[in-house]
Amino acid sequence: AQSVSQHNHHVILSEAASLELGCNYSYGGTVNLFWYVQYPGQHLQLLLKYFSGDPLVKGIKGFEAEFIKSKFSFNLRKPSVQWSDTAEYFCAVNSPNNAGNMLTFGGGTRLMVKP
Amino acid sequence: DSGVTQTPKHLITATGQRVTLRCSPRSGDLSVYWYQQSLDQGLQFLIQYYNGEERAKGNILERFSAQQFPDLHSELNLSSLELGDSALYFCASSPVSTGGGQETQYFGPGTRLLVL
Repeated sequence: AQSVSQHNHHVILSEAASLELGCNYSYGGTVNLFWYVQYPGQHLQLLLKYFSGDPLVKGIKGFEAEFIKSKFSFNLRKPSVQWSDTAEYFCAVNSPNNAGNMLTFGGGTRLMVKP
Repeated sequence: DSGVTQTPKHLITATGQRVTLRCSPRSGDLSVYWYQQSLDQGLQFLIQYYNGEERAKGNILERFSAQQFPDLHSELNLSSLELGDSALYFCASSPVSTGGGQETQYFGPGTRLLVL
């Protein structure tokens, strides 16, 4: 069974600091990778996704992520965070081998950006 | 706004009761997914329906059931409720369900269930 680990449960940064959130998955086959964000009181929104091709993926709001197959990682980055980036971030994976499209989520990372 | 709607937003009930959560997918989406978000278990996949048929099943308890109707809306039924069923229940939808996984799931705002 696949699993996803997000090692940082809580991250506190000042505005303009750089951000990197870790995501590691355990699955030996081909995977599709996603980062979702949940702003306070809102639904999950897709930040970016990786299916194939260039392992450096750019998403919305200046976020990017890099897929490193050898490390089973898909870390999320942003060069300069803003107060409005305060939210919870979830990494998720699914596999083309699954009958459906079920997503397996990591435990989430709560980011607080201090103004 | 993702286009996925869920009702009710909040639900408070007692142990042993039964509740029904409703989800309307985005216009044109054929697949509906249900997820449970709790403090101890995180976000967990429960079940997926595609065009009225069950497509995939996750860690869904036998006390829970779901269905997707001809108009593509879905209902999640939770019965014999326990304190531990208190959680946020999300519905998501996607256009099809090819099994390849290369689809974005769009999430609704969730239903917060509190079992007292």
